[in-house]
Amino acid sequence: AQSVAQPEDQVNVAEGNPLTVKCTYSVSGNPYLFWYVQYPNRGLQFLLKYITGDNLVKGSYGFEAEFNKSQTSFHLKKPSALVSDSALYFCALTYGSARQLTFGSGTQLTVLP
Amino acid sequence: DGGITQSPKYLFRKEGQNVTLSCEQNLNHDAMYWYRQDPGQGLRLIYYSQIVNDFQKGDIAEGYSVSREKKESFPLTVTSAQKNPTAFYLCASSLNPRQGAYEQYFGPGTRLTVT
Repeated sequence: AQSVAQPEDQVNVAEGNPLTVKCTYSVSGNPYLFWYVQYPNRGLQFLLKYITGDNLVKGSYGFEAEFNKSQTSFHLKKPSALVSDSALYFCALTYGSARQLTFGSGTQLTVLP
Repeated sequence: DGGITQSPKYLFRKEGQNVTLSCEQNLNHDAMYWYRQDPGQGLRLIYYSQIVNDFQKGDIAEGYSVSREKKESFPLTVTSAQKNPTAFYLCASSLNPRQGAYEQYFGPGTRLTVT
């Protein structure tokens, strides 16, 4: 069975510092991995995805993620955090013919001014 | 959230009543999905539909029902059989999943409170 783990419930970082939100996965076969962001009482917004190819994926709002097959990880990164990046971040993988998403439990990112 | 509407934003019901949550999309997407979000548990899949007049159960379908009579619409009914219906419900859609691993687009959600 497939699963996604986000080991940190909360990540705090100072504005201007680099940020990393961790994600590991377990799936048989090739993974298709996604990052989404959620602001309070809102739906999820797509940030980026890894399907195949270059292990470093660039997405919206300056975010990027690095796919590491040997470590089964897909960590989200940004070189310089903004206060407006504060939100709930979800890692997910897709499986099956209908591409259902399996989500991690989410990581609350707080960027401190 | 663009292209997917969910109504109402907040919904209050008494225990024992069925309630239907609306989801409409104008993105011409083939597939639609319903997820439930609870604090600290991420999102869990309730039902999904890849084409009109066809849908499948997700991981937590018990106590829920859906229909897909039109491509644009995928309403979710929370029945009285659902043991713990209070949650944030999110609808999503995507291009044809059989043709690729497309990202899903999410609506703004409906917060259901049952007392």
